Amino acid sequence: DTEVTQTPKHLVMGMTNKKSLKCEQHMGHRAMYWYKQKAKKPPELMFVYSYEKLSINESVPSRFSPECPNSSLLNLHLHALQPEDSALYLCASSQGGSLEQYFGPGTRLTVT
Amino acid sequence: KQEVTQIPAALSVPEGENLVLNCSFTDSAIYNLQWFRQDPGKGLTSLLLIQSSQREQTSGRLNASLDKSSGRSTLYIAASQPGDSATYLCAVRGQGGSEKLVFGKGTKLTVNP
Repeated sequence: DTEVTQTPKHLVMGMTNKKSLKCEQHMGHRAMYWYKQKAKKPPELMFVYSYEKLSINESVPSRFSPECPNSSLLNLHLHALQPEDSALYLCASSQGGSLEQYFGPGTRLTVT
Repeated sequence: KQEVTQIPAALSVPEGENLVLNCSFTDSAIYNLQWFRQDPGKGLTSLLLIQSSQREQTSGRLNASLDKSSGRSTLYIAASQPGDSATYLCAVRGQGGSEKLVFGKGTKLTVNP
C-alpha cells in the first residue's frame, strides 16, 4: 500500500476562518512533508517532519501551523489566510528523508 | 543554489511515438533524482528514482537515465499512449541526503490519438 490520503479534497474558507488540512499514511514512513503548489508551477516545500519532529520550515508565514500528532498523521492548521494562499496543498511521505517520496492527491484550497 | 530546468515546457506527439523528456540541474552534487507525473489538479505520482551512483532505471515503458557529471537526466517513454498525457516533473535531492527536493517546472506532454 503506497497510499497517502488527504482530506478534505476541496476547501473554501474566508480570511477570518480557522480550518485544518489532514494527511495520513500507513506505510510506516518516518518523514512527512507539506507542499504548496500554485497553478502551472512546481510544488514548493513548506514543512518537513522527521520522526514526528519539525526538521524544516521554509520560512512559511505563521498563519500556517503544522502539527504531527503521531507517525501516521500530519495536519496543517490554517488561520487568517489571504487570497494569495489559494493553491493546491500536497502532502507527501517517505521512509527516510532522502528516499522516494509518495504524494497524496492534494487539497484544493480557495480563500475568499 | 540548485536550479532544475526541464525542456521542452510542452510537447505534443502522436500516439505510438517514442519520446524523450529532458531535465538538467546546475549542481552535480546530488544524492538522487526522482521523476514524477502529475495529472491536472491531482497529486504527484512517483515514476522512477535514480540514485547518484546509478546510470539508469526502468519501469515498464519508462526508462530514466542519469549523467551526474554533466548535470542531466532524461526520461524515455516508449510507444506513447493518450493515457501518458500529463505533466512530468523531475526533482533532485542534494548530496548528504537532504530532505528537500528541488523541482523543475515540468514538461506538459500531450499524446494525440
